Amino acid sequence: GNSVTQMEGPVTLSEEAFLTINCTYTATGYPSLFWYVQYPGEGLQLLLKATKADDKGSNKGFEATYRKETTSFHLEKGSVQVSDSAVYFCALSDGSGGGADGLTFGKGTHLIIQP
Amino acid sequence: DAGVTQSPTHLIKTRGQQVTLRCSPKSGHDTVSWYQQALGQGPQFIFQYYEEEERQRGNFPDRFSGHQFPNYSSELNVNALLLGDSALYLCASSLRGGTETQYFGPGTRLLVL
Repeated sequence: GNSVTQMEGPVTLSEEAFLTINCTYTATGYPSLFWYVQYPGEGLQLLLKATKADDKGSNKGFEATYRKETTSFHLEKGSVQVSDSAVYFCALSDGSGGGADGLTFGKGTHLIIQP
Repeated sequence: DAGVTQSPTHLIKTRGQQVTLRCSPKSGHDTVSWYQQALGQGPQFIFQYYEEEERQRGNFPDRFSGHQFPNYSSELNVNALLLGDSALYLCASSLRGGTETQYFGPGTRLLVL
């Protein structure tokens, strides 16, 4: 079956530090890959996505590249801010349902940015 | 443009009881998915409804059932509640055959005592 593995948290960084959150996956076929973010007290929001190999998703200074050869979709940001503190979820959709399928999520990585 | 809405926001039940949670999708969306998020975990896919039928199902028992109405809103029903059903229940809406992006509601927090 499908699975997503992401680095355990919490990850604590200072403001303006470089961020990497690792994500690897197991899936049949050619999945689409997503990063969702959950800010304190808020619902899940789509941060970025990539639908095929070598695609790069980007948003709000975050980016991730779909690496089929390493089955990875690592999230990066060059300079984090305190406002980036949140829980980040890597997820996949294997497309077997022909559309917006049920997502398989990782366990989430809690990111804490200190001023 | 209203996003995905869910009701109620919080709910307390006792073991063995039944519960119904409700979801209204984002305007223009025709597909609703339900997820269970236990504390400290990622969401787990329960099922998806499109055209008033269950189209996909995750690894959840038959105690979990749902319904979709002609206006695309949806209900999640859980029978014979167990302590382990305590979680945040998330609804997500999307457009069938679209770009695969799902938009999530704020969730319903269920506590089973």
